[in-house]
Order: sequence, then C-alpha cells, then structure tokens
Amino acid sequence: QSVLTQPPSASGTPGQRVTISCSGSSSDIGNNYVYWYHQFPGTAPKLLIYRDNRRPSGVPDRFSGSKSGTSASLAISGLRSEDEADYYCAAWDDSLAGYVIFGGGTKLTVL
Amino acid sequence: QVQLQQSGPRLVKPSQTLSLTCSISGDSVSSNTASWIWIRQSPSRGLEWLGRTNYRSKWFYNYAPSLKSRITINADTSRNQFSLQLYSVTPEDTAVYYCTRDDGYELFDYWGQGILVTVSS
Repeated sequence: QSVLTQPPSASGTPGQRVTISCSGSSSDIGNNYVYWYHQFPGTAPKLLIYRDNRRPSGVPDRFSGSKSGTSASLAISGLRSEDEADYYCAAWDDSLAGYVIFGGGTKLTVL
Repeated sequence: QVQLQQSGPRLVKPSQTLSLTCSISGDSVSSNTASWIWIRQSPSRGLEWLGRTNYRSKWFYNYAPSLKSRITINADTSRNQFSLQLYSVTPEDTAVYYCTRDDGYELFDYWGQGILVTVSS
C-alpha cells in the first residue's frame, strides 16, 4: 500500500506554533479529503481534523488543517506539553478500488 | 455515544485464521450512512487500513489490495457486530487490530480499544 509522507519527528516549546506536513499524490491527497489523528501511547488514534480543515466537536481551535495540491499540513498553535504525541495524516486513495492510506506518523516532542 | 468493543484471541498460530469481532453500541451496523472498518498497527507497517463494510440497500465490502485474497469482513445484524477474518497468517500479521467507524464525514471518529494479536507457534 502507498504511504503518505510525513516527517518522522517535530518539536517545539510551549506556546509555539508547529506545523506537520503530509505529502501525497494526485490519486490521494490531490483528489480527496485529508484527515489528521493524534495518538498517545497505548491508546487508539483520535480524530483531530476531518475534510481537510474541519474540527470535530471538542477539538480545540489550536488545531487547524490546510491543504494545497497534493500536500497537507496540520498546525498546532499555543503548543502545550499534553500535545506531545504521534500525529498521522490519512486520505482515500483512488488508484485501486478505493482504500485509505496513512502517513508514517510524526512524533511531536514538546521541549 | 457510539462505543465499539472488540473481542477475540490474542495469540494465533502461523497458517491459521485470525478472527476478531467488534460489537457496536449507540449505532447500527446496518446504518445507511456509516461504514465499519478494520485497521491494524505495527511498528514495521504503521497504520494499515484493512477493509470495510457498509449497508446501502445491500451489503458492500471493500478490502485492501494487499490483503484481498485472504481477508473477509462480515456483518451480523442480529448481534449488531462486524467481524474480521484474516486467513493463513504469518508473524508479519502481528499487530494491534482496531475496529472503527466512518460516518461519512468524520472518518474514523470512534475506535475500539484495540487488541494486540500475536502470530506465533
């Protein structure tokens, strides 16, 4: 399965703004919505952003998503220590019968 | 509030069949708007979408191309559950397996607790 490309790690200090990128192709990000999740050790991923830039109920507006062409980004403003987690992007892939592909994940460290 | 509760064996022998069940509360497996999905996660493969089922006047099933020959997802409307069967497993199928939901807008909005399945003799 194809994988979306994310940086393996990112970091920031409390209060900073950090961004995490997600790169794909015309058959996935370029033609479909992007979704973002974060995951804490030992727990299931949790939805942060859906349909490129929408937040589910209960997700703080410190989290925002954007997309341009075949790339997407997740921005976290006012970074907090509790934001330290793994972050994943996902999108539908149209190349074969339709299925969802994920990024490899970005480990965010709050310094 | 939707809740997904997973059950199934944690240890499977190579060449045998991995079977997991996801029990749904707060929604219906035969919902006309939701889809029900299996995902797994391992250090070597990351997050991997395995397949889904949904009901749109009839049942539909979609599977990951890499697994299409050895995976089946079924829905049980009487028990409001859906299940995963993965055949002829190898140690590479060792992973945490999750069930989840797609409501058509918020992809993977609810998740099961995850089950670590180890393939080993």
